[in-house]
Amino acid sequence: ETGVTQSPTHLIKTRGQQVTLRCSSQSGHNTVSWYQQALGQGPQFIFQYYREEENGRGNFPPRFSGLQFPNYSSELNVNALELDDSALYLCASSRAGQGDTEAFFGQGTRLTVV
Amino acid sequence: AQRVTQPEKLLSVFKGAPVELKCNYSYSGSPELFWYVQYSRQRLQLLLRHISRESIKGFTADLNKGETSFHLKKPFAQEEDSAMYYCALRDTGRRALTFGSGTRLQVQP
Repeated sequence: ETGVTQSPTHLIKTRGQQVTLRCSSQSGHNTVSWYQQALGQGPQFIFQYYREEENGRGNFPPRFSGLQFPNYSSELNVNALELDDSALYLCASSRAGQGDTEAFFGQGTRLTVV
Repeated sequence: AQRVTQPEKLLSVFKGAPVELKCNYSYSGSPELFWYVQYSRQRLQLLLRHISRESIKGFTADLNKGETSFHLKKPFAQEEDSAMYYCALRDTGRRALTFGSGTRLQVQP
């Protein structure tokens, strides 16, 4: 069983640019959630995807968007980057439905906006 | 709106001392509560969940609905327990996790 992997591990972008972060979910999992963790804070829920559809969203603006693919991997896209978007972005996968599982987290992508 | 509060940013104890990391929550339904731990240079991982009522690595946590608390306890702290601990609540409808701001536990020799 492979774990949750995220790429890239680190990224530096300029204000106003766009960024795409990627996540490969754990084998057998059908749900992916994305979280933003600012320095000194707990992770904050951005959105969740289940079977390729958005299944819930936190208090983030529309310039945060995502996709889930048929193999259950996922992307987080952020447009018009702002300095406050600098954070650790975490992806978590789980299996929803019969025998649903806990969320397994990736190691995160550290995004710095300058 | 649901909310998780961890009042202590840092808890420092000596090896062998009891540990209690506090967690309070607000939620209108029946919550699912979790403790996650992050050791140095490792990813966030589940420590325990209230529905399993397990003891993991000597840690236990009891859900107190009257006090809306889910404090994490261990009778005798070990140096390897030093880590960042996050309390989290899961919305049963949306299945998203709401995290507290975390408590750093330092166990000194």
